[in-house]
Amino acid sequence: GAGVSQSPSNKVTEKGKDVELRCDPISGHTALYWYRQSLGQGLEFLIYFQGNSAPDKSGLPSDRFSAERTGGSVSTLTIQRTQQEDSAVYLCASSLRQRSYEQYFGPGTRLTVT
Amino acid sequence: SQKIEQNSEALNIQEGKTATLTCNYTNYSPAYLQWYRQDPGRGPVFLLLIRENEKEKRKERLKVTFDTTLKQSLFHITASQPADSATYLCALDSFQKLVFGTGTRLLVSP
Repeated sequence: GAGVSQSPSNKVTEKGKDVELRCDPISGHTALYWYRQSLGQGLEFLIYFQGNSAPDKSGLPSDRFSAERTGGSVSTLTIQRTQQEDSAVYLCASSLRQRSYEQYFGPGTRLTVT
Repeated sequence: SQKIEQNSEALNIQEGKTATLTCNYTNYSPAYLQWYRQDPGRGPVFLLLIRENEKEKRKERLKVTFDTTLKQSLFHITASQPADSATYLCALDSFQKLVFGTGTRLLVSP
């Protein structure tokens, strides 16, 4: 079946602009995650959604970052007033149940802030 | 402090040999550990999960061991092929959250 999809695949934006990144998880997966991966770095957890529960936002680096998940499916990560240090690959993943299970990743969105 | 350590230097081996990658952790008590493969420009792909009460897990040419006393997992690829060249990430469970290592790049030469 279809895997996790993300759009856009690449985004170049000017410093100070807002960006929206989209994630479409695997159908039926209740858990959805956002990670950030900078060059040569590991995956940095950002936010986690599980069903209808309140999201775990403990990894969001600042209040410029926010995310929502509509109808328990598609998720949007929004970065306001982008900074150059926001440049990274943003990865979305989903899993069948809670976060402890194997995660299925999308191809990522490469964000470049100029 | 909590740390997950994977060798940051690339591992170069010849085709047909066994590749062994190491994941060491400090100040975690994971109930399980996972290994992922990541190719350039792509998201990680799940390979194997091993629980704390399992010493070893196998899947085709892959073998994972988990030693909670040494706080270490070893990931083996037997009869390695150039197509196995990728970065391999370990991830462990911490309070029901997956925490990833930075990965080790494996290069298999023909």
